[in-house]
Amino acid sequence: EVQLVESGGGLVQPGGSLRLSCAASGFTFSDHYMEWARQAPGTGLEWVGRSRDKAHSYSAEYAASVKGRFTILRDDSKNSVHLQMNSLKIEDTAVYYCARSVFLGPYWVPFVDWGQGIQVTVSS
Amino acid sequence: DIQMTQSPSSLSASIGDRVTITCRASQGISNFLAWFQQRPGKAPKTLIYAASSLPSGVPSKFSGSGSGTDFTLTISSLQPEDFGTYYCQQYHVYPFTFGGGTVVEIK
Repeated sequence: EVQLVESGGGLVQPGGSLRLSCAASGFTFSDHYMEWARQAPGTGLEWVGRSRDKAHSYSAEYAASVKGRFTILRDDSKNSVHLQMNSLKIEDTAVYYCARSVFLGPYWVPFVDWGQGIQVTVSS
Repeated sequence: DIQMTQSPSSLSASIGDRVTITCRASQGISNFLAWFQQRPGKAPKTLIYAASSLPSGVPSKFSGSGSGTDFTLTISSLQPEDFGTYYCQQYHVYPFTFGGGTVVEIK
């Protein structure tokens, strides 16, 4: 069974940093792209970014709203992916989800499996 | 960025009703479209990918269709467990974008 468990959320002041982690199990982590999305209170879903696999040099894509502030890091040896969030803003307050992409030839399908989500609150 | 517009924004239907939700992309996305269900306080769940394919474990009462710019999600016979918010998402080009959601209520 695929499991994705986020951790590391909490309360942080504007301008601060936070690192979210997503522990994966039930599949060969190193073979998959991984995604992050978020949901601000009472609003819809927003894609945050994607991490490709080792075969694609662990390259990443980011939403414009987080580019230059957020970094997705992978640790295939620990079956985990991290979202390093710097220079946090009040508008980054949201529930953050990690998700697994699946290769369904010839394309990667994002968000096939989701974690339970973790709350991040940016406030002074 | 590609804008995804869902309609209606909310609907109320009776048990057993056939329900259809539409999603329109601001430019062509081939069939790179997914649908998700989200119950209050829970993580989203994938219902459809590639516009019409169901992941394993998703009931066949859910179906998707469309290509290019216009897509639909249909629930053939609405059941109490189907309440929640439904989102479409395009993954044809970055940034991936979601529709604004459709809230489904049971009458």
